[in-house]
Amino acid sequence: AQSVAQPEDQVNVAEGNPLTVKCTYSVSGNPYLFWYVQYPNRGLQFLLKYITGDNLVKGSYGFEAEFNKSQTSFHLKKPSALVSDSALYFCAVRTNTGTASKLTFGTGTRLQVTL
Amino acid sequence: NAGVTQTPKFQVLKTGQSMTLQCAQDMNHEYMSWYRQDPGMGLRLIHYSVGAGITDQGEVPNGYNVSRSTTEDFPLRLLSAAPSQTSVYFCASSSRRQGGTGELFFGEGSRLTVL
Repeated sequence: AQSVAQPEDQVNVAEGNPLTVKCTYSVSGNPYLFWYVQYPNRGLQFLLKYITGDNLVKGSYGFEAEFNKSQTSFHLKKPSALVSDSALYFCAVRTNTGTASKLTFGTGTRLQVTL
Repeated sequence: NAGVTQTPKFQVLKTGQSMTLQCAQDMNHEYMSWYRQDPGMGLRLIHYSVGAGITDQGEVPNGYNVSRSTTEDFPLRLLSAAPSQTSVYFCASSSRRQGGTGELFFGEGSRLTVL
């Protein structure tokens, strides 16, 4: 079985401040980890993924995520938040033996960036 | 480039009615899947397909039917709608040529209300 947990329903941050959106995972086997973003009334958009290699992965819109195997975490980060980053963020996981269609998503974290 | 197209965007049904949510992609992707999104529950996989003629059940398949007669299309059928199927439905696709690493492309969603 595979699962992800996003412990925060909402994260509030002021524009210009760094942001972190947390994600922990549970899989048997090597994990493939993903972050997606959903803007209001839109589908999800891919942000970044960790497959193997460097623990720090960089993605779209200045976002990055750090894979930590010992803590089974994959937190999303950005050095300086923008109001336009306000959206719903989903962490997702699958094993390296699963199919690309079978991602397991977290419950989502709403990021609110204010001036 | 249209990507993943879902129709209809909105639909209201009465309990017991049947309907089909359409999904088409023009990227020649092998993998396609249907998810439902409910508040506080993230996205849950309903059915998925790894190629034309091949479908399989996801996490919440009961009450839904799918078929994949072509690479482009992956319709989702509600056999006898129930209020518990009120949700936002997302179709997604991805390419095996990318190594099947799970970068999903999502449609804009179909919001279904069952009265």
